[in-house]
Amino acid sequence: AQSVTQPDIHITVSEGASLELRCNYSYGATPYLFWYVQSPGQGLQLLLKYFSGDTLVQGIKGFEAEFKRSQSSFNLRKPSVHWSDAAEYFCAVGAIGYGNKLVFGAGTILRVKS
Amino acid sequence: DAGVIQSPRHEVTEMGQEVTLRCKPISGHDYLFWYRQTMMRGLELLIYFNNNVPIDDSGMPEDRFSAKMPNASFSTLKIQPSEPRDSAVYFCASSWARGGAGEQYFGPGTRLTVT
Repeated sequence: AQSVTQPDIHITVSEGASLELRCNYSYGATPYLFWYVQSPGQGLQLLLKYFSGDTLVQGIKGFEAEFKRSQSSFNLRKPSVHWSDAAEYFCAVGAIGYGNKLVFGAGTILRVKS
Repeated sequence: DAGVIQSPRHEVTEMGQEVTLRCKPISGHDYLFWYRQTMMRGLELLIYFNNNVPIDDSGMPEDRFSAKMPNASFSTLKIQPSEPRDSAVYFCASSWARGGAGEQYFGPGTRLTVT
């Protein structure tokens, strides 16, 4: 069965420090990969996506993610975190043949300390 | 485009009452998804439609839940009768079939409280 694992439930980083959020997936097909961000009281907003091609993808708000097929990972990174990045982050995976369904990870809550 | 629109944004109702949540997907999108989010269970897919037809409703928790999509621009999720354990945030999302796995765009959600 398809699954997405985000090993870290909570992460705290200092403002200005670098960030890496982990995501591992288990999928029987070539995956399409996504990262979403959810601020308190808001819906999920798409940060970036990977369909094919360059395995390093750039997204909004200065985020990037790297697809590593050998490790079944799609980790999200940001070189310098801002206080406004405090939110919950969800990794999601889909594939052709799964009806545009996405499987979401449990989320990682990011806290930013000043 | 205005994005996915959901109404109401907040709903407070008493146990046993009927609740109807509404969603307008992004124009041109042919997939529509209903999710429920709670602290305990996280984000759960309830049901999704393709071209207004329900494709997979295996996530609908009970017969008390029903969803319809009468046309490409409108969907409802109904709970009848509602129970306190239905309290959650309900999200609608839409996407288009980009070769079979397009990104989903989420609405702002409806926060349902059943007392």
